[in-house]
Amino acid sequence: EDKVVQSPLSLVVHEGDTVTLNCSYEVTNFRSLLWYKQEKKAPTFLFMLTSSGIEKKSGRLSSILDKKELFSILNITATQTGDSAIYLCAVGDRGGADGLTFGKGTHLIIQP
Amino acid sequence: DGGITQSPKYLFRKEGQNVTLSCEQNLNHDAMYWYRQDPGQGLRLIYYSQIVNDFQKGDIAEGYSVSREKKESFPLTVTSAQKNPTAFYLCASSIDLRTYGYTFGSGTRLTVV
Repeated sequence: EDKVVQSPLSLVVHEGDTVTLNCSYEVTNFRSLLWYKQEKKAPTFLFMLTSSGIEKKSGRLSSILDKKELFSILNITATQTGDSAIYLCAVGDRGGADGLTFGKGTHLIIQP
Repeated sequence: DGGITQSPKYLFRKEGQNVTLSCEQNLNHDAMYWYRQDPGQGLRLIYYSQIVNDFQKGDIAEGYSVSREKKESFPLTVTSAQKNPTAFYLCASSIDLRTYGYTFGSGTRLTVV
């Protein structure tokens, strides 16, 4: 059975800190790994990773995939209170026939 | 603006009742999905649809039903057979099943009273 495991499940840091969120996966035929940010309701898309070792960046957020070790990290530098959210990792395989498999999420709280 | 609209935002159901959650998109996406989110759990796939008049069960389809009579609409019915329906329900769409940049709706929080 496909599995996506995120760690930590919750994290509290102070504004300005750098955080690293982890996502490991076991899927039958890996295709893509995605990161989403969920603040209150609708998850919003952050990154999609398909190739190993290529960092994707968007402002203070960056992510990289290691297909050999089957994990991805999401980094957030100079955190702000607006970064407080649940960060979801999801993996797709077999051409998406079964939809995405999501991890449980990391609940990140940024304290002023 | 294009997007996905879920309604209602909050829904209360008495035990034994069927309820239907609405999901409408104007993105011209072929694929649509229903996920359930419980506290401390990831999103779990209930049903998905690739095209009109076709849909497939996800990981937790028992107690749920869907229809896809129009491309824009993918309603989810929570039946009385679903023993623990209290949860947050998210609808999503993508261009097709192989495209993972999902657009999510704002969700419906269903509570059994």
